[in-house]
Amino acid sequence: DTGVSQNPRHKITKRGQNVTFRCDPISEHNRLYWYRQTLGQGPEFLTYFQNEAQLEKSRLLSDRFSAERPKGSFSTLEIQRTEQGDSAMYLCASSPRETNEQFFGPGTRLTVL
Amino acid sequence: AQSVTQPDIHITVSEGASLELRCNYSYGATPYLFWYVQSPGQGLQLLLKYFSGDTLVQGIKGFEAEFKRSQSSFNLRKPSVHWSDAAEYFCAVGALAGNQFYFGTGTSLTVIP
Repeated sequence: DTGVSQNPRHKITKRGQNVTFRCDPISEHNRLYWYRQTLGQGPEFLTYFQNEAQLEKSRLLSDRFSAERPKGSFSTLEIQRTEQGDSAMYLCASSPRETNEQFFGPGTRLTVL
Repeated sequence: AQSVTQPDIHITVSEGASLELRCNYSYGATPYLFWYVQSPGQGLQLLLKYFSGDTLVQGIKGFEAEFKRSQSSFNLRKPSVHWSDAAEYFCAVGALAGNQFYFGTGTSLTVIP
């Protein structure tokens, strides 16, 4: 069990640039989640996949955000035209078919200058 | 509305002392409750979970939590705190399958020698 992995761990970008993050879930997990966590807050839900289908999106996920899980395995989260308010930790989690126990990755910390 | 309240932003305890972290939730369906711990710059690690059955659940690292439906609470306890327990603790509520978790804002624990 290698756990959930996320890359990169840190990303520094300039305002207006596009960034893409990758999440590799635990291999047998069919559900995958993205959360955003800002300083001093708990994680906030962004979106959720079951296999390759994106089943739910938060209103926090503006038009500049897009997430994919093309083959039901890894997922990418892209932020276009980044803004300083996008600076946060982006967390990915996966869960198995049978339960809603979510296993979290180490996160990608985004800093927008 | 679904929400989780952790009323204590920060708690300081002496090593060896007992600990209780409070969590209250509001959820429109049968709640499934979780406690996670997060060390600085890291992802979230599951401490314990409650799905059904015995309302006192045991977790890793000597933690336990008690579900009280009448009080909408799921407080985390540990009889004797270790210095390595210093971290941020998050309570979360969700549904059995799929869907998102709702997290509290966290309680930061400091352990003094």
